[in-house]
Amino acid sequence: SAVISQKPSRDICQRGTSLTIQCQVDSQVTMMFWYRQQPGQSLTLIATANQGSEATYESGFVIDKFPISRPNLTFSTLTVSNMSPEDSSIYLCSVEVGGTEAFFGQGTRLTVV
Amino acid sequence: GNSVTQMEGPVTLSEEAFLTINCTYTATGYPSLFWYVQYPGEGLQLLLKATKADDKGSNKGFEATYRKETTSFHLEKGSVQVSDSAVYFCALSPPLSGSARQLTFGSGTQLTVLP
Repeated sequence: SAVISQKPSRDICQRGTSLTIQCQVDSQVTMMFWYRQQPGQSLTLIATANQGSEATYESGFVIDKFPISRPNLTFSTLTVSNMSPEDSSIYLCSVEVGGTEAFFGQGTRLTVV
Repeated sequence: GNSVTQMEGPVTLSEEAFLTINCTYTATGYPSLFWYVQYPGEGLQLLLKATKADDKGSNKGFEATYRKETTSFHLEKGSVQVSDSAVYFCALSPPLSGSARQLTFGSGTQLTVLP
């Protein structure tokens, strides 16, 4: 199993600013994943982050808007840049263990005003 | 592509009532199917899973049966408790994989159980 700690748990931000979300895992993992959950909608994969290489982004998500860092095997950050109210969502970090099960952080609830 | 359609909420039940949350999917082949639960202020946790047709996943009194003929994976519990109040997500992934990179989620169903 894996225990994931995300920070902050929630934030209210002004439009045009940026927020960096941190994800810490209690064990070394190859891949870390970032999801977005918009109000009333399902989870959508933003990108996959491997240590030592650039993140792989899903269709509709770009690095300039959602830069990701993965400095080591237990930590990653997601930045939401130049925020607008449409970015108000829950952002979740996830890891896979053994290639068969996904574990999730508690999420970061972002409100952009 | 793959998709998951989940019963819309919110669902409000009295304690000890019977629970059903419907989930249907669209996918090629035989995907793996999952139910995740998110308690207030916490991350998603795997509740149960099934990896092939007619399999029944079960955990904490919850059950779901993989029905290939109806492409469904409905979540059931015979007697809910207040502590079951949470958001429930149905999800699928390609065969033999629960990898986070390949999960497709439903929209989630908020369950509230009243004492």
